[in-house]
Amino acid sequence: DQQVKQNSPSLSVQEGRISILNCDYTNSMFDYFLWYKKYPAEGPTFLISISSIKDKNEDGRFTVFLNKSAKHLSLHIVPSQPGDSAVYFCAASVGNNDMRFGAGTRLTVKP
Amino acid sequence: DVKVTQSSRYLVKRTGEKVFLECVQDMDHENMFWYRQDPGLGLRLIYFSYDVKMKEKGDIPEGYSVSREKKERFSLILESASTNQTSMYLCASSPPFYEQYFGPGTRLTVT
Repeated sequence: DQQVKQNSPSLSVQEGRISILNCDYTNSMFDYFLWYKKYPAEGPTFLISISSIKDKNEDGRFTVFLNKSAKHLSLHIVPSQPGDSAVYFCAASVGNNDMRFGAGTRLTVKP
Repeated sequence: DVKVTQSSRYLVKRTGEKVFLECVQDMDHENMFWYRQDPGLGLRLIYFSYDVKMKEKGDIPEGYSVSREKKERFSLILESASTNQTSMYLCASSPPFYEQYFGPGTRLTVT
């Protein structure tokens, strides 16, 4: 039973537009949430995180929103660039130790 | 720069063979993790370790064991490889309560 779910396996957006990637979780004990980005033939790399005491965290073009009541988080990329094309994994943990990952969303940004 | 290295990028083994996957990190991290990545399932945690000689089961430990004799090295062992263990295996390390750094992965094929 997956505790972290990414229901969209793929997303395609036009360069310059906003990309919104969504993630839902079931375990109310999760208190730290992260997004990782993965290019082919490479390991995932950390992108951005948010703790449960916040509802928004921003880093340049990337913003993560957390809605604890809905057990939902999202990653916004504005503006999207072709180099953002990758698989994005949502992850959640209790105390930022062992994490649980979603299935991933493949983002394609078209020039 | 944190570096997590995995012994092989590609590995082909026969059913029933004993398989060793090695992971080494050079940042003196306490925590180390083994995941497998499968299409539609994302990253699933197999085993993790918070310290030398310590190990904890993740979500899918069946058919696997691990060894952590030195802080920098975390080995995943398939005692008797089976075709359903064909997968991408990812190792990660982290300090406590910090995001994880991943190696490039080992694509294992069991025939």
